[in-house]
Amino acid sequence: IVLTQSPGTLSLSPGERATLSCRASQSVRSNYLGWYQQKPGQAPRLLIYGAYGRATGIPDRFSGSGSGTDFTLTISRLEPEDFAVYYCQHFGSRNTFGQGTKLEI
Amino acid sequence: QVKLVESGGGLVKPGGSLRLSCVASGFNITDYYFSWIRQVPGKGPEWVSYISGNSRFTDFAESVKGRFTISRDNARNSLFLHMNILRSDDTAVYYCARGLGGYAGFDFLYYWGQGTLVAVSS
Repeated sequence: IVLTQSPGTLSLSPGERATLSCRASQSVRSNYLGWYQQKPGQAPRLLIYGAYGRATGIPDRFSGSGSGTDFTLTISRLEPEDFAVYYCQHFGSRNTFGQGTKLEI
Repeated sequence: QVKLVESGGGLVKPGGSLRLSCVASGFNITDYYFSWIRQVPGKGPEWVSYISGNSRFTDFAESVKGRFTISRDNARNSLFLHMNILRSDDTAVYYCARGLGGYAGFDFLYYWGQGTLVAVSS
């Protein structure tokens, strides 16, 4: 399964809404779809698991949705600390990550 | 507080070998699966390998199968990635990680180390 994220780069301002897409090459179980945030020099941080669940400590401005082949990470109102790279992940018979979306100011 | 600390990265020539270590603290690793994930700067993460708590189950990405092995020493709360026949495309930051649940090879990765850089170059 290949995960394709779009757009490659998203330029927005604090306070705006961000919508990031992850498309799978074939239908996947949403239970196994997650989203990560990565800032420079840091390891990825789990944001969303099971397509919709927020990991511990993740603010409720982050939400996940989708099913089948199309999944979305939405950040309702961007804070300055949200500008980072975001990756989707799916695991099944293999553990696969997308190529990332850079969210920039 | 759960903490994972990797070490052992460095510069190695093509065809060479390297052993990465990951020491865990804040919990007993015995029951948990662990994974190694690598990431080329500017690219998405790539899963490399996992190992079960009792070392009975392991798996590897096709890109490293036959060249890398994985092991653990539960008494020392440590994981290892043994990398042989290294190639230039193995150059990456290598992370050890534990899953959200921790009881399956493939999982959402909740706990990560800070990573160790492996550079393969002549």
